[in-house]
Amino acid sequence: GEDVEQSLFLSVREGDSSVINCTYTDSSSTYLYWYKQEPGAGLQLLTYIFSNMDMKQDQRLTVLLNKKDKHLSLRIADTQTGDSAIYFCAENGGGADGLTFGKGTHLIIQP
Amino acid sequence: EAEVAQSPRYKITEKSQAVAFWCDPISGHATLYWYRQILGQGPELLVQFQDESVVDDSQLPKDRFSAERLKGVDSTLKIQPAELGDSAMYLCASSLAASTNYGYTFGSGTRLTVV
Repeated sequence: GEDVEQSLFLSVREGDSSVINCTYTDSSSTYLYWYKQEPGAGLQLLTYIFSNMDMKQDQRLTVLLNKKDKHLSLRIADTQTGDSAIYFCAENGGGADGLTFGKGTHLIIQP
Repeated sequence: EAEVAQSPRYKITEKSQAVAFWCDPISGHATLYWYRQILGQGPELLVQFQDESVVDDSQLPKDRFSAERLKGVDSTLKIQPAELGDSAMYLCASSLAASTNYGYTFGSGTRLTVV
């Protein structure tokens, strides 16, 4: 079945760039998404990328997609304490089904 | 900004009791999803509606879970009887249409604790 893998933790210093990585198995994915979840809250859509693109930039966020390797990354420039959260990678499997999520990466900000 | 409304925010119930969660999607969103998120995991799809019809409930434990969206607007997810392993966050999401680049707007969730 479909699988999305992420590392569980990432620790960065405030002001540095954070890079969160994700790999997926479903080659028919049409869209890939990054969601942010703060403690006790629902999921907030950060950004998404269409599978025929290899890069998308939105202010401090840069998404890179390597479709050949099925690898997705999210770069957060100038990481701030407010960026501390769990970041989920998700893909839509190319069909009308719901999303398949990874287990999430806890982003920890060091002062 | 339009939101997906969910209630209650928190629910504590004893095992073997019945529990229900409610979701009101963004107005005009035809597709509605219920996800379950166990602590430390990503959300997993339970059921998907297109208007009032169930599109996918293959991951819904039908012996105890039921979901309905009678008028194609708001939706209810029910568990009867609740088990200890059902403790989780239950998230509702909606989108204009399935397979869309709009993403899926999530509600704040209902955190269920079964004791």
